[in-house]
Amino acid sequence: QSLLTQPPSASGTPGQRVTISCSGSSSNIGSNTVNWYQQLPGTAPKVLIYGDNQRPSGVPDRFSGSKSGTSASLAISGLQSEDEADYYCVAWDDSLNGHVVFGGGTKLTVL
Amino acid sequence: QVQLQESGPGLVKPSETLSLTCSVSGGSISRYYWSWIRQPAGKGLEWLGRMYSSGSANYNPFLKSRVTMSPDTSTNQISLKVKSVTAADTAVYYCARVVYSYGSWYFDSWGQGKFVTVSS
Repeated sequence: QSLLTQPPSASGTPGQRVTISCSGSSSNIGSNTVNWYQQLPGTAPKVLIYGDNQRPSGVPDRFSGSKSGTSASLAISGLQSEDEADYYCVAWDDSLNGHVVFGGGTKLTVL
Repeated sequence: QVQLQESGPGLVKPSETLSLTCSVSGGSISRYYWSWIRQPAGKGLEWLGRMYSSGSANYNPFLKSRVTMSPDTSTNQISLKVKSVTAADTAVYYCARVVYSYGSWYFDSWGQGKFVTVSS
């Protein structure tokens, strides 16, 4: 099935800025908004970014999202140890009568 | 704040039907969309479908019509059925509320997840 493409892993040291990419196509990212979720070990995912670049209340402004064409990015500045988690991008796909597609996930390690 | 809790059998035999319930508290299921999402151990997330509180739904086209979701407004619950299961359906199953803001649908509240094993 269709998936958005994310790097399987990323890493950074405390205080650094890290970006995670998400690549899609014209039927998903190219025509719909992107959301990002953070999944800490053993817990349910939590929304970090919706509508390409909007943060829900309670999400630190260290997290930011952007989109260009058929790709999106999540940036985390001032990296902290508690940011070590899996990150997923998600978008609606207009093909096949419409469905939600997830990225494969990126495991972020704080060194 | 709305809270979601998945429940149901943790073990299902191959070829049988997996049935789970999502109990919603702190808010009504009415006038919202609800989704089920699953995650095999050590793997990524997979969307199963989306259902409005009226019962209209659309499902993951790659699951070949094996998935059915339905609401029960009298008990404030959402149910999931996956028929003809195989070992590949072994996963943690999450229910999530879907909301709309800034031109985007997204999952704003999640249950803690229910692990279901498919095995004889």
